[in-house]
Amino acid sequence: DADVTQTPRNRITKTGKRIMLECSQTKGHDRMYWYRQDPGLGLRLIYYSFDVKDINKGEISDGYSVSRQAQAKFSLSLESAIPNQTALYFCATSGKDRASNTGELFFGEGSRLTVL
Amino acid sequence: SQKIEQNSEALNIQEGKTATLTCNYTNYSPAYLQWYRQDPGRGPVFLLLIRENEKEKRKERLKVTFDTTLKQSLFHITASQPADSATYLCAPRNSGNTPLVFGKGTRLSVIA
Repeated sequence: DADVTQTPRNRITKTGKRIMLECSQTKGHDRMYWYRQDPGLGLRLIYYSFDVKDINKGEISDGYSVSRQAQAKFSLSLESAIPNQTALYFCATSGKDRASNTGELFFGEGSRLTVL
Repeated sequence: SQKIEQNSEALNIQEGKTATLTCNYTNYSPAYLQWYRQDPGRGPVFLLLIRENEKEKRKERLKVTFDTTLKQSLFHITASQPADSATYLCAPRNSGNTPLVFGKGTRLSVIA
């Protein structure tokens, strides 16, 4: 089983619909992230959370919200989806940085969202 | 503003040659820099980390250098193979309490 699981893997929706992308992890990490990836634009950070009570905006948070329901779960919501939110979305986790820890990110397999 | 530039969007090389990918950054004072590999439709996978006090790091056929004066990291794959074809992403990081921000990546194609 994957350490970082995203659901759904694929979703097609219509403009104006509310969409939730879910992420769960079994790595025991405190830190979780949501990125979106578009061709030619690379990975861009939407929101991140360093522990259950911590939520921070990334560079492109407008139109998105998140919820950290538990250490292992971090959900991304699009309250009213629009076509330019069509993208591949990745959840990632990392442990706290320590001398013995590279702080590397572990990514899920991605959720491909299409907004018509 | 902070900026990460990876030398080219795409790089084609012949099998067996050394591939060299460049990552330049501005308005960062990175404590370390990470490199990731991403295959089409998959999530990125961590390859290597190099710290600011390290000039060079090696792992099998991979070598990373880090020049904080030039604000540049070079990523080398020696004896390249078609299986090395992927997109490679760099991510400099100022400290452990800032989130990771990635360059746009370089798509490497190794031709047999």
